[in-house]
Parts: sequence; structure tokens; C-alpha cells
Amino acid sequence: QQQVKQSPQSLIVQKGGISIINCAYENTAFDYFPWYQQFPGKGPALLIAIRPDVSEKKEGRFTISFNKSAKQFSLHIMDSQPGDSATYFCAASPETSGSRLTFGEGTQLTVNP
Amino acid sequence: EAGVAQSPRYKIIEKRQSVAFWCNPISGHATLYWYQQILGQGPKLLIQFQNNGVVDDSQLPKDRFSAERLKGVDSTLKIQPAKLEDSAVYLCASSLYGAVNTEAFFGQGTRLTVV
Repeated sequence: QQQVKQSPQSLIVQKGGISIINCAYENTAFDYFPWYQQFPGKGPALLIAIRPDVSEKKEGRFTISFNKSAKQFSLHIMDSQPGDSATYFCAASPETSGSRLTFGEGTQLTVNP
Repeated sequence: EAGVAQSPRYKIIEKRQSVAFWCNPISGHATLYWYQQILGQGPKLLIQFQNNGVVDDSQLPKDRFSAERLKGVDSTLKIQPAKLEDSAVYLCASSLYGAVNTEAFFGQGTRLTVV
């Protein structure tokens, strides 16, 4: 029940294209859903986050779509750039836990020039 | 703002040896986490501290792993004795105190190889 399932495992997109990564969860206690970006040799860094009281959040080229009834959320990267090539992790955290995160397995994104 | 500092960056040890990792969180961050990230997987929480008290250590293999946070600031994570399957990156993160979800800031991690 604590798992967060993420797909696809890897994704190759052309420059300017849209990258879409999907996640699903089961624990209804989760109420904070961040996406982290990780470059090789670096720690994960927060990209964007959403709470279940909204269905969508957009920050620049990055958008989170959230479907509470389906217990699914996704990351959309518009106009993907080679600099976006990294590993992306979805995560979830229950209310009042601070930032005690349960991570997905990760998606390795490659954006070809 | 200085980030989360971790040392060493890399460590190679033989199985059954012991090893320790150090973390200095962002100043003012009362909550500190240790995560284990096995190659090709997402980080897995090992332990969460609130100031110098343990909030959650349910996923910490306590027969070989131990962690402490002295004076509510720096923290050390120790493995004794190490096993081959402990090879991973050990990430330290910190966040502001509070029940409300806040951003967790991660260090660069310590890459441990057990041979």
C-alpha cells in the first residue's frame, strides 16, 4: 500500500516534443505529490509538486496532472530540451509526515537534439 | 543558502567491514532524512529525525545500520558489518520543521561500494 508505481522506465523524446511520465499510488493517506529531477552524480532536486485539492499545476514548461479518483498523477514536459535529460522520480508523502517521501522507480528521460 | 553537505562522496569497503557517513543539513532545518538509493531504483527512506529524535526508522535494518543526530544538527549513518547488497548511494535530506509537507533538499550523496 506504500508503493508508488512509475512508468515508463525510460523515455526518448525529440527536442521540442512532449515528455509524459505517469505514476499511480494506492495509499489514500498520501496528500503531497512532488516530482524530483536527478542528474548523474547529484541528489534529487524538487521540480514541481501538487496537492490533491487541485487537478493541475503548471510551472513554466512543467505541468502536473492529478486524478484523485483514479489515484494517478503525471508529469508533462512541454517543448522538451536536451538539458531536460535526467532521471525523474515521482513521490508521495502523507499529511503531517513532513517530507517523508515514498519514491517511484524513476524514468530516465533522454531528449535528442 | 548552503545546501546539504555529505561526506565522503565515495567509499569502497570489503564486506563485513564497517563504514560511516556524515551529513550536515541546511541551517535551520529541524528535520533530517537518510535515504538509500540502489542503482536504477528510487530512493528509499531509512530514517527520519525531528531535531535529535527519531520519527520513523521502520525501514532501517537495525541489526546492521545505526544513525544518530547529535544536538539536532549533524547526523551520521553507520553500517556494521556491511554486506554486498548495501552497495548504493546514501542520500541525506533536510526540510523545515512542521507537520505541513515542505520541500526536502537532498545532498549529493555518498556512493558506497561493498566488495
